[in-house]
Amino acid sequence: KAGVTQTPRYLIKTRGQQVTLSCSPISGHRSVSWYQQTPGQGLQFLFEYFSETQRNKGNFPGRFSGRQFSNSRSEMNVSTLELGDSALYLCASSLDGQYNEQFFGPGTRLTVL
Amino acid sequence: EDQVTQSPEALRLQEGESSSLNCSYTVSGLRGLFWYRQDPGKGPEFLFTLYSAGEEKEKERLKATLTKKESFLHITAPKPEDSATYLCAVQDSGSARQLTFGSGTQLTVLP
Repeated sequence: KAGVTQTPRYLIKTRGQQVTLSCSPISGHRSVSWYQQTPGQGLQFLFEYFSETQRNKGNFPGRFSGRQFSNSRSEMNVSTLELGDSALYLCASSLDGQYNEQFFGPGTRLTVL
Repeated sequence: EDQVTQSPEALRLQEGESSSLNCSYTVSGLRGLFWYRQDPGKGPEFLFTLYSAGEEKEKERLKATLTKKESFLHITAPKPEDSATYLCAVQDSGSARQLTFGSGTQLTVLP
């Protein structure tokens, strides 16, 4: 069974631009969560989607948004990029996100110049 | 607010030298405690889920245990390939499905 895939793997943007990251969950998994990982803050929860609906949201500004499609694939968007948005963005999928384990993708490394 | 504290921050062991990593947590109600392994530049790799105090799980040289306030990851006779950052996370029964992570323990096993 294929794991969680994320594209692109690396991205370089400049301040003020916007970016869209993509995540394809494990086949059959309907819940997708997004996390930001930085050396200073560690892994922090962004949001979670299930059946195309955002079920839970972390403490991030409105510049961070996401969506999920009917095939469970998910995208996250960051608008008006800031230097502090440089991070590894991780996507995790689970069957339904209730008591199930979350399996992570390899991440997208975003660098904002 | 959920809190997860891992110690030590870094640990260096000789090959074959057993040790334990600690994860202490504060949650209103524990739905699950998760251990992950993360190699540099990669996403976390799932290791274990523990649901209730007294539960233990094993996988190769790793054994995870859980009490009401903390979890331990015991590493028996480690090998250099066990070098990685080990992350602990909790899922609160009252906070939907998000995971709250600790800052991790960076383990280095020397040959």
